[in-house]
Order: sequence, then C-alpha cells, then structure tokens
Amino acid sequence: QVQLVQSGSELKKPGASVKVSCQASGYTFTSYNMNWVRQAPGQGLEWMGRINTDTGNPTYAQGFIGRFVFSLDTSVNTAYLQISSLKAEDTAVYYCARDKGYFDFWGQGILVTVSS
Amino acid sequence: DIVMTQSPDSLAVSLGERATINCKSSQSVLYNSNNKNYLAWYQQKPGQSPKLLIYWTSTRVSGVPDRFSGSGSGTDFSLTISSLQAEDVAVYYCQQYYSTPQTFGQGTKVEIK
Repeated sequence: QVQLVQSGSELKKPGASVKVSCQASGYTFTSYNMNWVRQAPGQGLEWMGRINTDTGNPTYAQGFIGRFVFSLDTSVNTAYLQISSLKAEDTAVYYCARDKGYFDFWGQGILVTVSS
Repeated sequence: DIVMTQSPDSLAVSLGERATINCKSSQSVLYNSNNKNYLAWYQQKPGQSPKLLIYWTSTRVSGVPDRFSGSGSGTDFSLTISSLQAEDVAVYYCQQYYSTPQTFGQGTKVEIK
C-alpha cells in the first residue's frame, strides 16, 4: 500500500535552516512527482511546488522561490524540503503529497515551529 | 493563477440532513480535448492530513461513502453530502489541477447543528 512517511516535528530559531523528509513506499517512486503543501496554523492549504522524481527538476510556486529547496534521494525513495533563513511566519505544517494531477496520497505532515 | 472561492466558509447541518459546498474557479478548468474538469475535493479532519475524496469533479475515491458526490463543470462546482454523519465533521477543500500553480479553495468547515 502506498505510504508517505514524513520526519518528525522541528523547533528552530529564526535565521536557522531546516531539512525535512518524506519517504515513499508501496509504489515506484520515480513514476510520480512529489508536491509540497504548506498549512499555517488555523489556515488553509497552500501549494509550494513539486519536484519531478524522475529528473529531479523542481517547480516552485511564487512565494517559495529563494529560501525553499526541493531535493531527492531516489536510492531511498525520499523527497526533501529545505528551508533556509527561517522566519516566524514559516511556522506551519508541511505536507508532501503524491502527484496524479490531484494529490492522491499525503504524508502525515511535519510541524515546523520557528521561535526564539 | 486560478483563484478558487468556496462558499460558505462554514455550515452547520443536522445529522442526516444534506450539506452542500460550492466552489467557483476564476477561469474554466474544463479541458476541451478530453472533456474533463480538473477539479478535486479533499476532506481534512481535525489533526489529520487532507484526504482525497473526489477527483475529475465527480469520481469518488475507492472506499469513500456514496453519500459524498461531486458535480459541476467549467467554473462552478459543488460537493454534496447527502446525509450528514458525525464522522463527516471536517474542513473540505476544492482544488483545481488544470494549471500550475494548483490552487485550493479557502476551505469550508462542516459542523453538526
């Protein structure tokens, strides 16, 4: 069965960096792109972008260009999201989601808290 | 970018009654070459990740109860829960995947009256 398992919650200080992971199982990892979706506290869903798991080519939504980097390690079927120069407003739950156009499977989410 | 607007923002419905959520896109999400509307619905229960309910406007995901149905075309869509159950309390989101960036509606919170 398809599963996306994300790494654990993170607490970081402003200005620090964080790298979170999303490990896929139950399907051929390189057959589907992986999306990243942000959900700020009490807010809705915001698409951050996706990474082509076959080529490694990322696509970033406006607002997520510069400090956000998507990467892969296909040897362990894992996608990564790195955020640098963290700000308080980056505090959110970050989800990975498999891409079939629509997002058919989601990870459990990672809470990243940015606080001094 | 295609803007997705849901209405209402919240609704309270009695158990067993019908709940209808509307979703309007700022431009058509109908792809003429295959006559498909690139519109999906998600359910997010408190403390959980979103779950895909419906795609291609009206195709239910396997295992989703048939009290959930989707309809619409072009720019106007709806999700109907025909007989609300306690386990349906959640926030529901529509999403267009016609063009990048894929965009979500702001969400509709469904509660029990």
